[in-house]
Amino acid sequence: QVQLVQSGAEVKKPGASVKVSCQTSGYIFTNYYIHWVRQAPGQGLEWMGWINPNSGGTNYAQKFQGRVTMTRDTSISTAYMELTRLRADDTAVYYCARELWFGEWKAQFDPWGQGTLVTVSS
Amino acid sequence: QSALTQPASVSGSPGQSITISCTGTSSDVGSYNLVSWYQQHPYKAPKLMIYEGSKRPSGVSNRFSGSKSGNTASLTISGLQAEDEADYYCCSYAGSSTFVVFGGGTKLTVL
Repeated sequence: QVQLVQSGAEVKKPGASVKVSCQTSGYIFTNYYIHWVRQAPGQGLEWMGWINPNSGGTNYAQKFQGRVTMTRDTSISTAYMELTRLRADDTAVYYCARELWFGEWKAQFDPWGQGTLVTVSS
Repeated sequence: QSALTQPASVSGSPGQSITISCTGTSSDVGSYNLVSWYQQHPYKAPKLMIYEGSKRPSGVSNRFSGSKSGNTASLTISGLQAEDEADYYCCSYAGSSTFVVFGGGTKLTVL
């Protein structure tokens, strides 16, 4: 079955960077976009952007432009999300999620990874 | 403040039906048939329940249904069960500038 398995929890200091991985299995990695969504403690969901694993093309939410970089390694079917210049309000659970549709993106996310807690604290 | 507006909470008794609204604008919900709904239990990842406004993924109970009228999408859960108690989020494609917007989430309590 389709699975997305994310890397473990991270604790970072303000100003540092974090890189979260999302290892996929059960389907052809290059056929489906990967999205990143975050959720601050007790808050709602916030879309960060997507990567097209086939081309490497990306699209980021305006709020994160300049601080986020999404990449992929097709040899190991893994997507990555790096966030730089971390602040306390970046503390959140970061999810990767596969696009529902083959070869295009329509903002329908299924399935999701288990989430990675990133804590930013001095 | 979220781009899509949902009620903070709704409640219902087992067996009853409830509806959660999701109000957007003519730039998102009103313009595209790309609203999705997600169920999230505490400390779990979200799960897709409805896509393209009214379609159910394989394995999702037919007690869950979606609809849209103008700029407002709705999720209806019929025959409420204890395991339906969770947070529910709506999401919409919002065009080539904003791209994707979520609602603030609705906490469903089964009394």
